[in-house]
Amino acid sequence: SQLAEENPWALSVHEGESVTVNCSYKTSITALQWYRQKSGEGPAQLILIRSNEREKRNGRLRATLDTSSQSSSLSITATRCEDTAVYFCAPSGGSNYKLTFGKGTLLTVTP
Amino acid sequence: ETAVFQTPNYHVTQVGNEVSFNCKQTLGHDTMYWYKQDSKKLLKIMFSYNNKQLIVNETVPRRFSPQSSDKAHLNLRIKSVEPEDSAVYLCASRGLGGRDAETLYFGSGTRLTVL
Repeated sequence: SQLAEENPWALSVHEGESVTVNCSYKTSITALQWYRQKSGEGPAQLILIRSNEREKRNGRLRATLDTSSQSSSLSITATRCEDTAVYFCAPSGGSNYKLTFGKGTLLTVTP
Repeated sequence: ETAVFQTPNYHVTQVGNEVSFNCKQTLGHDTMYWYKQDSKKLLKIMFSYNNKQLIVNETVPRRFSPQSSDKAHLNLRIKSVEPEDSAVYLCASRGLGGRDAETLYFGSGTRLTVL
């Protein structure tokens, strides 16, 4: 079974709007990572938020983490067409370090 | 800036053939991975090598075999491909310290189509 799951499965917004992707996970973590994968590329990390942090920002991106409910969110403000991608959350920690990903949220930003 | 290089970008082959994919990282990392991404974008880890030693080997068919000549290279060979092997194969690397200890750096993938 999946250790992490993003929702919704897909989102569509217009440029300039804000959007939030949610993540629930089922394992103990040392950190929660968010990755973005654009078409034809591999995933690239956006934000890494540690288990003792509740919020982390990176430009237009803001991630939150609630370890008590095992959930996280990624918000993007002032979206741009180039934000169109699949967004993954990945809980990290544990032995052998196998980073597992959720199924992803497909975000489409239209002009 | 790309630091994990995969070749080829695409490969089309027929059932039963053998294929090999190459991956090289220039980040000086010690750990490298192969992931398989299906048509629904689900990413599944296949193998992980640390300094040429296999440390993670998920349940994958025996026709898949990773090959590492040094810590900067991790190739993937598939003997006798099957239709279900059609997917994007992603190589990644991870460092030892600081943020790199938890961040995976991915290549752009090799898309395999089995006819």
